[in-house]
Amino acid sequence: DTTVKQNPRYKLARVGKPVNLICSQTMNHDTMYWYQKKPNQAPKLLLFYYDKILNREADTFEKFQSSRPNNSFCSLYIGSAGLEYSAMYLCASSTLGDNYAEQFFGPGTRLTVL
Amino acid sequence: QQQVRQSPQSLTVWEGETAILNCSYENSAFDYFPWYQQFPGEGPALLISILSVSDKKEDGRFTIFFNKREKKLSLHIADSQPGDSATYFCAAREMSNYNVLYFGSGTKLTVEP
Repeated sequence: DTTVKQNPRYKLARVGKPVNLICSQTMNHDTMYWYQKKPNQAPKLLLFYYDKILNREADTFEKFQSSRPNNSFCSLYIGSAGLEYSAMYLCASSTLGDNYAEQFFGPGTRLTVL
Repeated sequence: QQQVRQSPQSLTVWEGETAILNCSYENSAFDYFPWYQQFPGEGPALLISILSVSDKKEDGRFTIFFNKREKKLSLHIADSQPGDSATYFCAAREMSNYNVLYFGSGTKLTVEP
């Protein structure tokens, strides 16, 4: 099974409210990634977990939080949603130990902030 | 900073034609270039990839041409089929950086029957 699951598929949030997105994989991958995708833009890496170590991109460091309670699950947390957070959020996983390892993507969560 | 650029943004070809999707990059440290295919409602899925030591990679109707000197690559889809209609993302990986991928903004391909 090479499936990455994401919940929910669609999320409506109010400005200023928190948002929590969930990703899961059963491939025993050691690395999980979160991307933000806006229309006509490239998927932008927000952060990733290698095992239990969180790596966040410099320009999104304060905007997004994440947790990985076990190898299979990873969350993306927005403490106070703004209109600019409306986007598709893609989760991916891979095995860092394999050279040129493929990243497997979930179907995404479409977040709309009103 | 956009490290990977794709063109065109959208492309329409007739069934049976060859579709050519272009990609360029800036970082000389990139060593691995996967192309991902995404259908509506699904996540991107790896289609084909190439290492920077190669100049060509074929997989059935899909071929990557790579020019390291010019930092350019292209995906050729021969005998295009309506089922190939999707968005194609070019990506690049920097050696020894946690398999982090930098993506282009994608090319939406439509194959008309």
